Amino acid sequence: QITLKESGPTLVKPTQTLTLTCTFSGFSLSTSGVGVGWIRQPPGKALEWLALIYWNDDKPYSPSLKSRLTITKDTSKNQVVLTMTNMDPVDTATYYCAHSYYDFRSGFPAPMDVWGPGTPVTVSS
Amino acid sequence: QAVLTQPSSLSASPGASASLTCTLRSGINVATYRIFWYQQKPGSPPRYLLRYRSDSDKQLGSGVPSRFSGSKDASANAGILLISGLQSEDEADYYCMIWHSSAWVFGGGTKLTVL
Repeated sequence: QITLKESGPTLVKPTQTLTLTCTFSGFSLSTSGVGVGWIRQPPGKALEWLALIYWNDDKPYSPSLKSRLTITKDTSKNQVVLTMTNMDPVDTATYYCAHSYYDFRSGFPAPMDVWGPGTPVTVSS
Repeated sequence: QAVLTQPSSLSASPGASASLTCTLRSGINVATYRIFWYQQKPGSPPRYLLRYRSDSDKQLGSGVPSRFSGSKDASANAGILLISGLQSEDEADYYCMIWHSSAWVFGGGTKLTVL
């Protein structure tokens, strides 16, 4: 059974760097094809994809946020870490991590199919 | 103009069918894309429902009832999520998603009310 859980600060100040950790079980990021993604959702608004990291360390990022994001993995700990710099109140959202994989047969990424419960982050001074 | 556009809300009656549309921006041809759909209920993470590109390239998510299906309207350049035999538990927000220019893109979501 695949499970994921997000952790990190619930409150950050403007201009600070946010660091979120996704701890997962039921799969390994050393397995070919496996990936973990991050998605956020501001209160009452739509989902926004942020970044993805694959078993081979390929790391696609949202073009609009690429300059502020870094995603890394620690395979031994079954964790993925997302950092976002220069936080602003508009970054207030629930942040989710999710399991994904690369569909070798089609040659395209597969969607995020199992999600964590999400962690709320408020940006305020 | 957004890559994916969804109507903000839709209402339908129990037992009826609902068609939720996801219109791709002009210049992005729906025929070449896999459209993915998610369901989200208040306070919960999204649930993956299905993938649809064509009748030969489709997939229902794990545990998703067959009442949920996908299709396309090429004339409208849109993906469609069809929910048949609507139940009260289907009341939720629905999001479409595509892989476009090496990034995942979500639509703005449709709030489905079953009344």
